[in-house]
Amino acid sequence: AQSVTQLDSHVSVSEGTPVLLRCNYSSSYSPSLFWYVQHPNKGLQLLLKYTSAATLVKGINGFEAEFKKSETSFHLTKPSAHMSDAAEYFCVVSDWSPMNRDDKIIFGKGTRLHILP
Amino acid sequence: DSGVTQTPKHLITATGQRVTLRCSPRSGDLSVYWYQQSLDQGLQFLIQYYNGEERAKGNILERFSAQQFPDLHSELNLSSLELGDSALYFCASSGDLGSYNEQFFGPGTRLTVL
Repeated sequence: AQSVTQLDSHVSVSEGTPVLLRCNYSSSYSPSLFWYVQHPNKGLQLLLKYTSAATLVKGINGFEAEFKKSETSFHLTKPSAHMSDAAEYFCVVSDWSPMNRDDKIIFGKGTRLHILP
Repeated sequence: DSGVTQTPKHLITATGQRVTLRCSPRSGDLSVYWYQQSLDQGLQFLIQYYNGEERAKGNILERFSAQQFPDLHSELNLSSLELGDSALYFCASSGDLGSYNEQFFGPGTRLTVL
């Protein structure tokens, strides 16, 4: 069965310092993993995705994530935080097979990122 | 702008009532997903349609139903509404089947049940 755990519900960093948002997952098959961002009063937007190609995935706005199968992790990082990064971030796991009608897309509970001036 | 539209933006209704939420996917996208976002449950996948057929089911209550029409727009019907159904309902679309596909999210419909 699939599951996603975002280890921190809130993270606060100072502007210009690194960001680390942690995500652990479990999956029965070969998962696809995503990070989405949700700014206040907006829909979700894809930051990046892993689909069994390169384990280090680069996304938009300077974010990247590394798929570590041995640790079942997919942590999101950014070298230098910007005020505009303040938002909620969701880690998502998805398994899909042509025969699996019970496929579910699982969202983590979200991590709210606060940027301190 | 994701290209996914949802109407209405806000909906206020009473317990026991029935409402219909509408979603138009991005042009050319065949898959539509519905999600519920609430403070206590977080973001939950409800159901997916692909080219008019139900493709996957998540935590959708029996009081809720959805369909996708030949023009690919989708409707989510919520009936016998309860206070706990108050939430933000998102629709998303993607171009094809497959878990590797990016989903494009609409702005959401905020449902308030009084």
